[in-house]
Amino acid sequence: DTAVSQTPKYLVTQMGNDKSIKCEQNLGHDTMYWYKQDSKKFLKIMFSYNNKELIINETVPNRFSPKSPDKAHLNLHINSLELGDSAVYFCASSPSGSGVWNEQFFGPGTRLTVL
Amino acid sequence: AQSVTQLGSHVSVSEGALVLLRCNYSSSVPPYLFWYVQYPNQGLQLLLKYTSAATLVKGINGFEAEFKKSETSFHLTKPSAHMSDAAEYFCAVRAGTASKLTFGTGTRLQVTL
Repeated sequence: DTAVSQTPKYLVTQMGNDKSIKCEQNLGHDTMYWYKQDSKKFLKIMFSYNNKELIINETVPNRFSPKSPDKAHLNLHINSLELGDSAVYFCASSPSGSGVWNEQFFGPGTRLTVL
Repeated sequence: AQSVTQLGSHVSVSEGALVLLRCNYSSSVPPYLFWYVQYPNQGLQLLLKYTSAATLVKGINGFEAEFKKSETSFHLTKPSAHMSDAAEYFCAVRAGTASKLTFGTGTRLQVTL
């Protein structure tokens, strides 16, 4: 199936731990994104990469570090996890960073719970 | 700068009734507007998008939206609600060539028998 996939789907961990979420898209898109959706369903962009290059970096703690090994992958590493990091994290991709009408395709989300 | 306001965090309609979800935008340049739907425990799926080609946009599942520049609105409608329409709906705006998509706070649609 052509899609945006994320692993893991659920992640439960203790405060202070370091964890990673992986994202892969097989749609041939140039641009990938990470979003955070909080408990009130508010969706906010965190990062965006175009052809492996960082193009959007919102005000996110530097404990969050995205890594794009190639155009099809954008992973999110989180250091020293805090309670407030609990949320659903969505990966998305789109055909081009400059195509403003281009649809973003979303992954199924990773629900992170920090205890 | 760009922003989106969705009026009503929760809308409840009877099956077969009209669905109206409100979205107002703010943008310093001509906007590109989107409606996404999120079913429980799933990612977001595009319903429809406005790209300046036509002010009335038809999307999937019988939804449509009308761009009204004078009212800075992009309300989502469906003539007859179905139980399967129950979900969270997000309006989003992208201003000009900026690649950032800004989402509204979402409206939960409940459909009752």
